[in-house]
Amino acid sequence: DQQVKQNSPSLSVQEGRISILNCDYTNSMFDYFLWYKKYPAEGPTFLISISSIKDKNEDGRFTVFLNKSAKHLSLHIVPSQPGDSAVYFCAASGSNTNAGKSTFGDGTTLTVKP
Amino acid sequence: EAGVVQSPRYKIIEKKQPVAFWCNPISGHNTLYWYRQNLGQGPELLIRYENEEAVDDSQLPKDRFSAERLKGVDSTLKIQPAELGDSAVYLCASSSQGRGSTDTQYFGPGTRLTVL
Repeated sequence: DQQVKQNSPSLSVQEGRISILNCDYTNSMFDYFLWYKKYPAEGPTFLISISSIKDKNEDGRFTVFLNKSAKHLSLHIVPSQPGDSAVYFCAASGSNTNAGKSTFGDGTTLTVKP
Repeated sequence: EAGVVQSPRYKIIEKKQPVAFWCNPISGHNTLYWYRQNLGQGPELLIRYENEEAVDDSQLPKDRFSAERLKGVDSTLKIQPAELGDSAVYLCASSSQGRGSTDTQYFGPGTRLTVL
């Protein structure tokens, strides 16, 4: 049973528009969430994170929203740029249980068209 | 500062052969992870080290996979013998987290293994 799900394998948006990537989780023990970005032939790179005590975290063009009651988080990229084209992974971890272990979703491939 | 270093970047072997991957984490990072990433999927944890100690190896197929982290720095992941289903990208990551802290991991570029 997959505990972290990214139900959209791919997303295509026009340059300058908003990209919204979604992630759902099932384990209520998760209390820290991260987004990673991955280019081909490279390892994932940390992008932004959010603790369960918050519902929003913003870093430049990237904002992550957390809805704990729905066990749902989303990553917003505004405005989207062609260089944002990559695979985005959502990950979740629990500080109280097996601290340090992150569970990853299967990723969403974002394509930003010029 | 250098990132996580992995070698080799690519490896092609025949089934039943042994293979080993090497990882050098970011200097000062006490936690090291090995992940396997199958095509179209996210990374799956194989083993996690806190310094020299393997604190989570529940997902490591111990009949054919082994890992070590001597002196709490570099690490080696070995498969013997390799099977066709082992074809994947093997990622190493490290973090400087302490107990209870957040878990931002820094990944290496991975080793792409192809078993023929």
